[in-house]
Amino acid sequence: DTEVTQTPKHLVMGMTNKKSLKCEQHMGHRAMYWYKQKAKKPPELMFVYSYEKLSINESVPSRFSPECPNSSLLNLHLHALQPEDSALYLCASSPPGGESSYNEQFFGPGTRLTVL
Amino acid sequence: KNQVEQSPQSLIILEGKNCTLQCNYTVSPFSNLRWYKQDTGRGPVSLTIMTFSENTKSNGRYTATLDADTKQSSLHITASQLSDSASYICVVSAPNAGNMLTFGGGTRLMVKP
Repeated sequence: DTEVTQTPKHLVMGMTNKKSLKCEQHMGHRAMYWYKQKAKKPPELMFVYSYEKLSINESVPSRFSPECPNSSLLNLHLHALQPEDSALYLCASSPPGGESSYNEQFFGPGTRLTVL
Repeated sequence: KNQVEQSPQSLIILEGKNCTLQCNYTVSPFSNLRWYKQDTGRGPVSLTIMTFSENTKSNGRYTATLDADTKQSSLHITASQLSDSASYICVVSAPNAGNMLTFGGGTRLMVKP
């Protein structure tokens, strides 16, 4: 298995709903990432998990709550979102290695989120 | 602040023609530079990845070049196909930032028949 999968592909939710995005990889990668991408803009990093521990939170509002249950799974729990949170949410993973290693991030297909 | 600038922002070419996309970066030092292709509404897919010691790398009809002295990279697409229509994103990583990536704004390429 050489890919990052994300579910669902599309999600429409109201501002009072609670939903979750799921990301999975079985490549043995130990770093996993959540990005948010608005139309015609590059991805913006939200969270980084390294060895199942949250290592970076790019000042993301608390209505976004990440979770890494194990080395293959990454979730993003959503609650009380705003319409401006509508975007493509990308998950990525990268293999273990040092800071100067030839690491590459492998991206999933994304979840298209619409907040009404 | 580390930056990655791409040009042009958008480009329209006819099927079968060649094109070259540009990327200038200020990230220094840097670990590697990658070019990704992103179809609309999909995740980025890696085309090439180069370290500072590499000058060129090819992947089929895609050829990336890197000049670490001038901090410039280009992506050349040969004999374009309709399926090449996508955004092409230049991404740079720095050794002092672990796996963190600095993304360029992308070039939106449209290939017309």
